[in-house]
Amino acid sequence: AQSVTQLGSHVSVSEGALVLLRCNYSSSVPPYLFWYVQYPNQGLQLLLKYTSAATLVKGINGFEAEFKKSETSFHLTKPSAHMSDAAEYFCAVSEKEYGNKLVFGAGTILRVKS
Amino acid sequence: GAVVSQHPSWVICKSGTSVKIECRSLDFQATTMFWYRQFPKQSLMLMATSNEGSKATYEQGVEKDKFLINHASLTLSTLTVTSAHPEDSSFYICRSSYTFGSGTRLTVV
Repeated sequence: AQSVTQLGSHVSVSEGALVLLRCNYSSSVPPYLFWYVQYPNQGLQLLLKYTSAATLVKGINGFEAEFKKSETSFHLTKPSAHMSDAAEYFCAVSEKEYGNKLVFGAGTILRVKS
Repeated sequence: GAVVSQHPSWVICKSGTSVKIECRSLDFQATTMFWYRQFPKQSLMLMATSNEGSKATYEQGVEKDKFLINHASLTLSTLTVTSAHPEDSSFYICRSSYTFGSGTRLTVV
């Protein structure tokens, strides 16, 4: 079975500050890991995915995440927060790269202060 | 990139009526479609998985007769909420591969 834990249901940063959203996973098989962003009343948009290639994954909008097997983590970072980054972020894990069930974390709401 | 078009984006219906939600893959063939439900300030709950041309697989606790899923073609999957009640009010989202639809806000009054 797979599971995801997102530490911190709410994270608040100042505009221009570093964004760090934490995600730890549990998986009995090599995982595929994803970060999604959701704006209010919208679907989820894929930010980036880890598919067993490079451990440092770069995504859209300046986000990146690093897969650390020893720590079973896949934290999301962005060097400088923008007001437009305020949204909810979901980490997810899957056993397969395509067309398989995604197990989601509970989500982290990011607030960006001006 | 891949786009999944979901309609309607919001719908209000009377208790006891049925509502159909459509998800279309616009530039690719969606062999598999996943349907989720999201309660306010909560994560996504997988309801069912549909495969083109076969019966959907429902997650434990999801009523098959209430949430009818049809995946008749490689570009269209539908979710019908039958005899809707206020407790069915929620945000419903479909997904194919990495791509999510834009979601449907259902309010049953």
